Amino acid sequence: GENVEQHPSTLSVQEGDSAVIKCTYSDSASNYFPWYKQELGKGPQLIIDIRSNVGEKKDQRIAVTLNKTAKHFSLHITETQPEDSAVYFCAAQANYGNNRLAFGKGNQVVVIP
Amino acid sequence: DGGITQSPKYLFRKEGQNVTLSCEQNLNHDAMYWYRQDPGQGLRLIYYSQIVNDFQKGDIAEGYSVSREKKESFPLTVTSAQKNPTAFYLCASSTGLGGLHFGNGTRLTVT
Repeated sequence: GENVEQHPSTLSVQEGDSAVIKCTYSDSASNYFPWYKQELGKGPQLIIDIRSNVGEKKDQRIAVTLNKTAKHFSLHITETQPEDSAVYFCAAQANYGNNRLAFGKGNQVVVIP
Repeated sequence: DGGITQSPKYLFRKEGQNVTLSCEQNLNHDAMYWYRQDPGQGLRLIYYSQIVNDFQKGDIAEGYSVSREKKESFPLTVTSAQKNPTAFYLCASSTGLGGLHFGNGTRLTVT
């Protein structure tokens, strides 16, 4: 099955700087890559996703890039703010008809004011 | 507002007791999922259901059971056979075409 690895496990950044989280996946058949943000005591929320037919997608201060050849995708957060502090999960899905997502183990992002 | 409701938010049980976690969605999604979250372990799939009256085991189904009698409801029972039941449980739903919508979880503590 799909194996998703996420690095680094913890990331501290100064407010206003950029943060980058990288994930690698193992199954070349994976074609959908969402990112989730989880705040303390809440469920994860989808913040951005990308499909394998595009290489980059942006939504205001966040962007995701995908390198299918290298089998990795990254989340980029620019101009970080304290409310960006959370755990971020990447995931990958192959279209085998069961729509199962394989998740990374999460990355704790701390934005220092 | 459409969404997923998990109840209760906190649940305490004695060892040896079965306990059922509730999950209701009003998003009209066909697929529903149960995940378990432990510190440093990410999200692990327990069971999922793509349609009413049908469900499949995920990666860690042992000691759990589910039912899907209605489209909007997907309750999870943590049985006494689950060796380490204390965890944060997340329910999710999807249209099957993309990302998951999660509830805000139930934190189960078994002593």
